[in-house]
Amino acid sequence: NAGVTQTPKFRVLKTGQSMTLLCAQDMNHEYMYWYRQDPGMGLRLIHYSVGEGTTAKGEVPDGYNVSRLKKQNFLLGLESAAPSQTSVYFCASSSQTGAGETQYFGPGTRLLVL
Amino acid sequence: SQKIEQNSEALNIQEGKTATLTCNYTNYSPAYLQWYRQDPGRGPVFLLLIRENEKEKRKERLKVTFDTTLKQSLFHITASQPADSATYLCALDMPGNTPLVFGKGTRLSVIA
Repeated sequence: NAGVTQTPKFRVLKTGQSMTLLCAQDMNHEYMYWYRQDPGMGLRLIHYSVGEGTTAKGEVPDGYNVSRLKKQNFLLGLESAAPSQTSVYFCASSSQTGAGETQYFGPGTRLLVL
Repeated sequence: SQKIEQNSEALNIQEGKTATLTCNYTNYSPAYLQWYRQDPGRGPVFLLLIRENEKEKRKERLKVTFDTTLKQSLFHITASQPADSATYLCALDMPGNTPLVFGKGTRLSVIA
């Protein structure tokens, strides 16, 4: 099992450009999450999904969109990148939430917006 | 809203000593409290979880305590080693359909 994978590993964007980050999991998990991690800020939840075709906003959703068309994939889109979106992005998945189920994280995507 | 605080941003400790990390939260007690380890350049990895009605949980050199009166969890690493150097995150696992709430983490450095 590959667990949770993220594509790409690193990307440089210019302000205003768009891009999509891909997360894939092979554990048949219902729940998937996108976080960003910045120095001194910890992990902050951007959006999450409780199942195929459903998404919900997290703590810092502005400037991002997501889609969960297939159970195993969760896409994070930046329509018009800004320097404030320079960060490390982590995807995670879990079978449940609120029931002692752990989250499994991907290796992260480093994004630099110039 | 629920808030979680890990009291130290960084903690330095000598090899062989016990490292103790603190996680405090406000408002309601979670159903579970989870601890993760994160190495530089990698995603967090689950270590241990403790239920609301458990006072203590152990796994090898790791021990977690949970005090709902103090609204606090302590994470101990006994006989610490340089390989234990990492950032440790605690997370509140609230009842219902809500995602985990993560603390900012404590960066532990074990010095040989």
